[in-house]
Amino acid sequence: DAGVIQSPRHEVTEMGQEVTLRCKPISGHNSLFWYRQTMMRGLELLIYFNNNVPIDDSGMPEDRFSAKMPNASFSTLKIQPSEPRDSAVYFCASSFIAGSLSFYGYTFGSGTRLTVV
Amino acid sequence: DQQVKQNSPSLSVQEGRISILNCDYTNSMFDYFLWYKKYPAEGPTFLISISSIKDKNEDGRFTVFLNKSAKHLSLHIVPSQPGDSAVYFCAALYNSGNTPLVFGKGTRLSVIA
Repeated sequence: DAGVIQSPRHEVTEMGQEVTLRCKPISGHNSLFWYRQTMMRGLELLIYFNNNVPIDDSGMPEDRFSAKMPNASFSTLKIQPSEPRDSAVYFCASSFIAGSLSFYGYTFGSGTRLTVV
Repeated sequence: DQQVKQNSPSLSVQEGRISILNCDYTNSMFDYFLWYKKYPAEGPTFLISISSIKDKNEDGRFTVFLNKSAKHLSLHIVPSQPGDSAVYFCAALYNSGNTPLVFGKGTRLSVIA
C-alpha cells in the first residue's frame, strides 16, 4: 500500500485565492482526519469523517474552510478565500475504527505546506 | 484550552544518554496514550502507546510510563542516538478510538553526537 497520499506537497498562493488540498486514504480505512500543524498550536484537529460522513467539524476555524469526502478513497479541504494566517502544514490521516476496545492507530500523509502571501 | 500539554518545546541530549520527554493531560476520560515521531517534511509516525490500565510499556530502546494520578506520561529513550532527532508528539484519546486523537504541541529532540 502506498500509504496516505496528499497533494500538492507545497502550495504558495496569494491572499484571497481559493486553495484545495487533496487526500487519498489507505484502502480499507473507514475514518479520515484533517489536522493542521502550526508552531503556536501544534497539531490541531480540523475535521474528521467516519464512513465518509463528517462527524465533528468543530475544529474548522471559520466558514472559509470546508471539507468533503465524496467517497471512501478521496477527500478535499478547501479554503476560500485564503488568508496569510492560514499558512501552515496540513496533514491528512486515516484509520480503521471498529468501535470500543479497537484502536489501530492513525497513518498520516506527508502533509501539504501551504503558504499564503 | 490544551487537553494535552508538552511544556518543553525542545530538548538536547548527548548520544548514548537517556532522553526523557514529558507530557501532561487534563482530561481524566483519556484511556489510551500514544507517542508519535515526526521528521522534517514527513508526516508523524506511530512510535509507542500505552493503555490506561498499565503504567509502563517498553519497546526496545523506548519506554513509556503513565502516572494516572498525576495525569502525566513520559517517554524514555535509552540510549539516545542521532537518528532519534525529531519532533515527538504526545497524543491521547478516550473510548478506545471512537473519539479522535488529541495532540500536544510537540517537543523537538536533538541528539548530539
